[in-house]
Amino acid sequence: RKEVEQDPGPFNVPEGATVAFNCTYSNSASQSFFWYRQDCRKEPKLLMSVYSSGNEDGRFTAQLNRASQYISLLIRDSKLSDSATYLCVVNRANDYKLSFGAGTTVTVRA
Amino acid sequence: DTAVSQTPKYLVTQMGNDKSIKCEQNLGHDTMYWYKQDSKKFLKIMFSYNNKELIINETVPNRFSPKSPDKAHLNLHINSLELGDSAVYFCASSQVSSGSRNTQYFGPGTRLTVL
Repeated sequence: RKEVEQDPGPFNVPEGATVAFNCTYSNSASQSFFWYRQDCRKEPKLLMSVYSSGNEDGRFTAQLNRASQYISLLIRDSKLSDSATYLCVVNRANDYKLSFGAGTTVTVRA
Repeated sequence: DTAVSQTPKYLVTQMGNDKSIKCEQNLGHDTMYWYKQDSKKFLKIMFSYNNKELIINETVPNRFSPKSPDKAHLNLHINSLELGDSAVYFCASSQVSSGSRNTQYFGPGTRLTVL
């Protein structure tokens, strides 16, 4: 079983729509959680860290459910520029290694 | 004001050649990483150095040899290149200290094509 699993999508949504997707992680010792965004042929860029109580950054909301071992990302009022692959990333305490999911592809259409 | 930079951006070479990729970060971080992203888009950690010491060495052919001359630089040398080495190689850095999150920042990638 992979340490981090994501629905690969693609999620095709119209501009202005809300889109949400999850990722599950297998290691209960995981302590830090992130969403990264990767555009085609570019490097991954940190979108947001995910905190235990959930957090929001503009149109993006991240939630963490430790009991069920999943994190989620919700994008409100989708823009064309939100089209990208979103990578779920998990880190165990005192571990230099990040575990990456394979990514969820989102395409926002006009 | 580039944070993590890599050279070259593109590398096209013949099988059997030896090549190097360089990475530099100006973020003052103490830890640097090399990742490989192949055509299936999955990011795999290869190596990591913390303050010039090798701390992660995944199952990678020994044709790949990292070198960290100082904590701002991490280079990757590849001997006897094979077709399967074609991929995008990303360098990353982070500041890993007690209690902090391991937030990694990535370079723009080096697209390696082996012919």
